[in-house]
Amino acid sequence: GQQLNQSPQSMFIQEGEDVSMNCTSSSIFNTWLWYKQDPGEGPVLLIALYKAGELTSNGRLTAQFGITRKDSFLNISASIPSDVGIYFCAGFLGTASKLTFGTGTRLQVTL
Amino acid sequence: DAGITQSPRHKVTETGTPVTLRCHQTENHRYMYWYRQDPGHGLRLIHYSYGVKDTDKGEVSDGYSVSRSKTEDFLLTLESATSSQTSVYFCAISETTLNTEAFFGQGTRLTVV
Repeated sequence: GQQLNQSPQSMFIQEGEDVSMNCTSSSIFNTWLWYKQDPGEGPVLLIALYKAGELTSNGRLTAQFGITRKDSFLNISASIPSDVGIYFCAGFLGTASKLTFGTGTRLQVTL
Repeated sequence: DAGITQSPRHKVTETGTPVTLRCHQTENHRYMYWYRQDPGHGLRLIHYSYGVKDTDKGEVSDGYSVSRSKTEDFLLTLESATSSQTSVYFCAISETTLNTEAFFGQGTRLTVV
């Protein structure tokens, strides 16, 4: 099946630093989604991308849909303690009605 | 928050017993999904539904069955639970295949002993 590789697997950063993470696929996708999951909770949608090359922001978060349609990037600017959690990318091909998820990037923010 | 309720939130069961998890939505969304989450694997799709009585398999469907008799309810059944099915199970909903902003429930932690 399709595989989504996220990197890095984990990050330890200081408050105020910028964060970058990415997701790559062996197959193309029509939609890329980025989720954040807090402990004991379900994933919460952060950003949705629907077009190759698209750059979308949501507050301090910015995500891009790669031109090749096989990758996506998420950046967080000026990190704060509540950014702590696991970030998942997900790809959707369209007709299959299935979202494929990456394995997640665990973000830790130190004061 | 999207109106998605999973029940139970926690369950411990014995190997070989049947288990049913329930997902209830109040959004009238057409698509409903069951995922399992395990360390190192992210979220993996078990089954999904694209309408009442319309379901299909995901990538890890062995040992699981589903039913959707009403728009608002999607049931996941483990016919004979095994220790490998110990996991956190998430239900998700989405409105259409074009609008793929899937929203998740809070999860059910299942332990099979």
